[in-house]
Amino acid sequence: AQSVTQLGSHVSVSEGALVLLRCNYSSSVPPYLFWYVQYPNQGLQLLLKYTTGATLVKGINGFEAEFKKSETSFHLTKPSAHMSDAAEYFCAVSGGGFKTIFGAGTRLFVKA
Amino acid sequence: DAGITQSPRHKVTETGTPVTLRCHQTENHRYMYWYRQDPGHGLRLIHYSYGVKDTDKGEVSDGYSVSRSKTEDFLLTLESATSSQTSVYFCAISETTGQVGPTNNEQFFGPGTRLTVL
Repeated sequence: AQSVTQLGSHVSVSEGALVLLRCNYSSSVPPYLFWYVQYPNQGLQLLLKYTTGATLVKGINGFEAEFKKSETSFHLTKPSAHMSDAAEYFCAVSGGGFKTIFGAGTRLFVKA
Repeated sequence: DAGITQSPRHKVTETGTPVTLRCHQTENHRYMYWYRQDPGHGLRLIHYSYGVKDTDKGEVSDGYSVSRSKTEDFLLTLESATSSQTSVYFCAISETTGQVGPTNNEQFFGPGTRLTVL
């Protein structure tokens, strides 16, 4: 079975500051991990994913995430926030099969 | 953008009435999913389909049924809508590639249907 915990339902950063969104997971099998972003009144779109291999994954819009098995974490970072990054972000885990488990989401606010 | 449309985009209905939501894809992906999104819960899987006429339940399937008579269409039906089914509903699609399973690949999401049950 899989589960996902996103720490912090809301995160606020200043424009140009580091973005750090936290995600911890549990999985009884090797996990596939995802970060999705949702802009207002839209569906989710993939930012990045970890399947196997390199543990540092780079995604779109300058985001990256590092898979740390020992910490069961997959935190999302971006060195410098932009106003256009304001959105809701979802961490998700899959162990194969047909089901993906999504976290509750973290809404990112970017202050000018 | 993946070719996924949902209809209607918004619907207000009354308790006890039947409601059908439609998801249509032009990608010819085998796997289709219905999720509901509620504050504090993220997305929760209602039903999914792994082929024409092949469907199964997700984690929150009570009160919902689905049908898939064609690859491109996946219908979600609320037989008798209740206020607890007020939510935003998303359809998603995915495909296998090589030995990678359907949910180990990216899921592509539709724009959502906002349903209000009064």
